[in-house]
Amino acid sequence: QLQLQESGPGLVKPSETLSLTCTVSGGSISSSSYYWGWIRQPPGKGLEWIGSIYYSGSTYYNPSLKSRVTISVDTSKNQFSLKLSSVTAADTAVYYCARSTTAMATITWGQGTLVTVSS
Amino acid sequence: SYVLTQPPSVSVAPGQTARITCGGNNIGSKSVHWYQQKPGQAPVLVVYDDSDRPSGIPERFSGSNSGNTATLTISRVEAGDEADYYCQVWDSSSDHLVFGTGTKVTVL
Repeated sequence: QLQLQESGPGLVKPSETLSLTCTVSGGSISSSSYYWGWIRQPPGKGLEWIGSIYYSGSTYYNPSLKSRVTISVDTSKNQFSLKLSSVTAADTAVYYCARSTTAMATITWGQGTLVTVSS
Repeated sequence: SYVLTQPPSVSVAPGQTARITCGGNNIGSKSVHWYQQKPGQAPVLVVYDDSDRPSGIPERFSGSNSGNTATLTISRVEAGDEADYYCQVWDSSSDHLVFGTGTKVTVL
């Protein structure tokens, strides 16, 4: 069964870049049937889509974050990554990596990792 | 940008039926997916493509979608169904994924 696991710093300073990696196990990230993406949830708030990437490299980003976000895939390591630049306290959230179908139903979620932006 | 609106809360007695709406402009033309999220846990897909259930999801969970409203129906509600529920679509006109505002279901 395919599993996802987020990794990265739990604390990031304001104005710096948040970097997270999602490791895929039990399946190949190169599958043509899925999108790989990031979703976040500020404490006590709802879900917010950050962006998604297809195995071919095509990317799709939330317009409200697009200027600060980069999502990439490393097929050799079976991983995909998130970089969010110029972070502020408003970027404090649980960050989930996820696998979605071509209809963008998110069928697999990582356990989530809390990232706090604070000096 | 495309907006999905859900009621903040729904309360239901055990054994009764809960209906959670998700409103959006012409949402009936899109595929709607629904997620259940319990405190401290990642969301779980309970309905996809308007009305299909992933394996392992009870038949008590069903979905419909028409016009400007999609609905998640939970029949014979159990205490374990208490959670936050989110609808979600892919807006192909802008290539963006959109989540609804979320509904907290309370079992009385």
